[in-house]
Amino acid sequence: DIVMTQTPLSLSVTPGQPASISCKSSQSLLHSDGRTYLYWYLQKPGQSPQLLIYEAFYRFSGVPDRFSGSGSGTDFTLKISRVEAEDVGIFYCMQSIQLRSTFGPGTKVDIK
Amino acid sequence: EVQLLESGGGLVQPGKSLRLSCAAYKFTFSSYAMSWVRQAPGEGLEWVSSISNDGGSTYSADSVKGRFTISRDNSRNSLYLQMNSLRDEDTAIYYCVKVSWTYGLNVWGQGTTVTVSS
Repeated sequence: DIVMTQTPLSLSVTPGQPASISCKSSQSLLHSDGRTYLYWYLQKPGQSPQLLIYEAFYRFSGVPDRFSGSGSGTDFTLKISRVEAEDVGIFYCMQSIQLRSTFGPGTKVDIK
Repeated sequence: EVQLLESGGGLVQPGKSLRLSCAAYKFTFSSYAMSWVRQAPGEGLEWVSSISNDGGSTYSADSVKGRFTISRDNSRNSLYLQMNSLRDEDTAIYYCVKVSWTYGLNVWGQGTTVTVSS
């Protein structure tokens, strides 16, 4: 199975400041079909996970444009241009290039 | 609004069985693959099992292979997870998730809690 790692595992951010989370996979997530099977989710406290970014850099419907995804191959980044109070929670990256999807350990973000 | 509603969770003794259900609303259920993802208390997300749109193909994590069976009934817009030989480490919130070819795991239910304890 592909192993996903994330850094940092926790992050405390001042509102209005940027934040960045790194995600690395043990194998390339670029498929021969040209798509990159890397996704980002946010799980707010007490809620189910919600999709933020699909295929590494496409923002899902309704996701604020302060969230952006980048990267390729095995190295990916989620950036929040200006953190807001509602962004607290745990961010997960996930791969689905293999039928057996795997998640990163999560990055907990809170507000200073 | 697209919605997934899980049910069937509860307290069960080790070695016993439980069947989870997920009712799907407001989308063409038979057109989409579906998955179960779980989250142990205080832990991260773990993919459990997936099934193709027609039920012809299924995939499961090694941790549940041979014990859990995913299935679906497209006539009832429902997804199931039959869990046998339950262990303490199966204690978790179980989420039913819609799988989109474009968006991946893009719609999640609210989850149902399974507690395995004697």
